[in-house]
Amino acid sequence: EVQLVESGGGLVKPGGSLRLSCAASGFKFTDAWMSWVRQGPGKGLEWVGRIKSKGSGETKDYAVPVQGRFTISRDDSENTVYLQMNSLKSEDTAVYYCSWSGSSYLFAWGQGTLVTVSS
Amino acid sequence: QSVLTQPPSVSAAPGQKVTISCSGSTSNIGKNYVSWYQQVPGTAPKVLIYENNKRPSGIPDRFSPSKSGTSATLGITGLQTGDEADYYCGTWDSSLGGFVFGTGSKVTVL
Repeated sequence: EVQLVESGGGLVKPGGSLRLSCAASGFKFTDAWMSWVRQGPGKGLEWVGRIKSKGSGETKDYAVPVQGRFTISRDDSENTVYLQMNSLKSEDTAVYYCSWSGSSYLFAWGQGTLVTVSS
Repeated sequence: QSVLTQPPSVSAAPGQKVTISCSGSTSNIGKNYVSWYQQVPGTAPKVLIYENNKRPSGIPDRFSPSKSGTSATLGITGLQTGDEADYYCGTWDSSLGGFVFGTGSKVTVL
């Protein structure tokens, strides 16, 4: 069974940093492309970025609003993907989901972790 | 704001049909696969349709997708109360270099 479990969310002040983790199981993580998607309160889904597998060059792509502030990384030995978020703004407040994804869609999703940016 | 436009809400009685449109452009729907996601309030999204018209195991054929040019549509027939949820289309945008979601459509069973 595919499982994705996010952790690391919480309350952070504007300008602060936070690192989210996503532990994966039930599929071959080393071959997987992994994405982060967020959903602000009462809002729709917003893709944050993705990291390809090592075999695909471990290329990273980011949405424009987070470029230069967020970094996605992975540890294949731990079957874990990370989202490092710096210079956080109030508009980054959202539930953050990690997803096992391909080139054209998102196969499976975690339950999400809430990040609140507020003073 | 999203580059994919959906109607905010659609509704119909149980057993009837609803259709959800997703309008994009040549840089997204026009050249890339479309997927559809269902999100029951308070839960994570799940994929209903991928690569334009494929259904993952367990998704009934009551969910019927179509795509033409720069638009896509999801039809839901035999509407059930369990279908009440938010639905999002999604695709890669080659100009933006990222994945984009539609604005989302709330399906209500009257």
